Formats: sequence, structure tokens, C-alpha cells
Amino acid sequence: GAVVSQHPSWVICKSGTSVKIECRSLDFQATTMFWYRQFPKQSLMLMATSNEGSKATYEQGVEKDKFLINHASLTLSTLTVTSAHPEDSSFYICSARDRRGKETQYFGPGTRLLVL
Amino acid sequence: EDQVTQSPEALRLQEGESSSLNCSYTVSGLRGLFWYRQDPGKGPEFLFTLYSAGEEKEKERLKATLTKKESFLHITAPKPEDSATYLCAVSSRKDSGYALNFGKGTSLLVTP
Repeated sequence: GAVVSQHPSWVICKSGTSVKIECRSLDFQATTMFWYRQFPKQSLMLMATSNEGSKATYEQGVEKDKFLINHASLTLSTLTVTSAHPEDSSFYICSARDRRGKETQYFGPGTRLLVL
Repeated sequence: EDQVTQSPEALRLQEGESSSLNCSYTVSGLRGLFWYRQDPGKGPEFLFTLYSAGEEKEKERLKATLTKKESFLHITAPKPEDSATYLCAVSSRKDSGYALNFGKGTSLLVTP
């Protein structure tokens, strides 16, 4: 149980294009989903928290107009990197918290983004 | 400010050589301490959640313990497949609610 999927697993795009990443909780409902970014050899950095049916809350320093987050249902959240640039290249990971309570977050497998 | 510090940064063990990883934390109102395992190029895999001092949890060769200031992840008779980065996190208060605050991790290498 507690499986989270992400799609795509990796993507290469040209500078200036937009990229959408999907995060799904497969066997549970998640009222809250989280988006993280991880640079090589570093730990996870929280980008934003999204609650189903409401606007995402972004961490300080994260541009909300560049990283658009939509949490349309209890099992799906999307992250769109708009007008991507090489500095946006990174490993993006989502997580989901079960609506039945408790604080444990279950993570997806991650999406590797390379912007040329 | 909530803080999580993991030590050592890296650890190399021989197969069968037991050891412990440390996670020291300061948090205002602990809502949970979490251990995850992360393999290269993959998302973190959930291992344990501990909620109160004195609590212990076990899974195969891993055992996690919690005190009021730190947590230990004990690895008994490790195998090469236990090689990974082990991440510790605490649930911290954010503007959006509660989110995980991660340590930098301990990179474990188990050699045959």
C-alpha cells in the first residue's frame, strides 16, 4: 500500500518550453501533496505544499509563476515548470500524505528534468 | 528554528558489521520523526515513523529508536543491498501546515 507514481520519469526539453509533471497516489486519497527539488548530493528541498481544492503554498524563494501547481483531485497533483531554463534542470520529487491522518509522507520515484 | 542533523555524513561497513546512524533534532512540538531510504536516482522509500521518546520500530535488519533529542537507526549484520542514503526528517510547522524538514542524510556503503 501507499504507492505514489510520477510521470514522466525523465524529460528533456528546450529552453523556453513548459513541462508538466504528474503525481498520483495510487491506493490512497491524499488531501495534501508536496513538491520537492533535489540537487546532486544534497537533501530534499521543499518547494510547495498543495491541498486539494485550494491554492498551493510556496516556500520562500520559490517562484509561484514559474512553478505552477494544481491539486485537482484527492489523487492527482501536477507541477508545471513554465518557460524552463537550464537552471531549472533538477530532480523533482512529489509526496503525498494519506487523508486518514498521521504525518507520514509517501514519495514518488521522482522526475529528472534536463533543460537544454 | 527546527533543525535536523545527521551523522556521520558517510559510512563504510563490511558485510555483517553492525553499526548505528544518528539523527539529532530540535523541534518545537514533535509530531513525528521519520526515516527514509533513498537509492540513487529514486525517490525516498519510507522506513519508519516514531512519535514519542522510548518508541522503537524494527524492519528486517533495521531498528529505529527515539529519545527526546535524537534518533538512531541501527543496522544489524548489513548486506550490500543495504547500501543507500538514509534520510531523517521531522515534521515542522510551516505556513501551509506541517511539512517534513530533512537532514542531509548518511550515505551508507556496505562492501562484501
